[in-house]
Amino acid sequence: QVQLVQSGAEVKSPGASVKVACKASGYSFTDYGFSWVRQAPGQGLEWMGWLSSSNGNTRYIEKFQGRVTMTTDTSTSTAYMELRSLTSGDTAVYYCARTLWFGDLYYFDYWGQGTLVTVSS
Amino acid sequence: EIVLTQSPGTLSLSPGETATLSCRASQSLSSNYMAWYQQKPGQAPRLLVYGASSRATGIPDRFSASGSGTDFTLTISRLEPEDFAVYYCQRKTFGQGTKVEIK
Repeated sequence: QVQLVQSGAEVKSPGASVKVACKASGYSFTDYGFSWVRQAPGQGLEWMGWLSSSNGNTRYIEKFQGRVTMTTDTSTSTAYMELRSLTSGDTAVYYCARTLWFGDLYYFDYWGQGTLVTVSS
Repeated sequence: EIVLTQSPGTLSLSPGETATLSCRASQSLSSNYMAWYQQKPGQAPRLLVYGASSRATGIPDRFSASGSGTDFTLTISRLEPEDFAVYYCQRKTFGQGTKVEIK
């Protein structure tokens, strides 16, 4: 069965970077891309961007341009999301989600369990 | 950018009742594509519906979706105890969510 297993919780200082891993299993890794979605405490869901597992193409929302990098390692079927220059506003649960496209629209059919990133001095 | 506004913010219902959740787009949508997700406390979201009204794998038929233009609806018939959760619509961005709570 499809599983996305994320790395554990992180505590970072303001200005630091964090890299979250998402290991996929149960399907052909390069057949689907990944999105990263975050959720601040008590808040809704925010799509951060998408990464193709087959060719490395990315699409980031403007808010995170220049501060986020999404990558994959096909040898280990793992997707990564690195966020730099962290502030307290980045404190959130970060989810990876397998992404299917429908024209220029997309949806998320499987999700990782989430990784809590806490930014605190 | 299209903004999705969900209403009501909270819906208080009893098991067995029907929940009707609204998702309104800030402009008319060229296609009736919408995805809906369920999220329970401490859990990741789960895909319920994608495309116009296709249920995801394993989703019971008491969940149905419809809509076009600016107005989209998720209907949950015969609410079960496990259906009390937060629901999000999504088309690129997400709506802010509707919480379905036990009355």
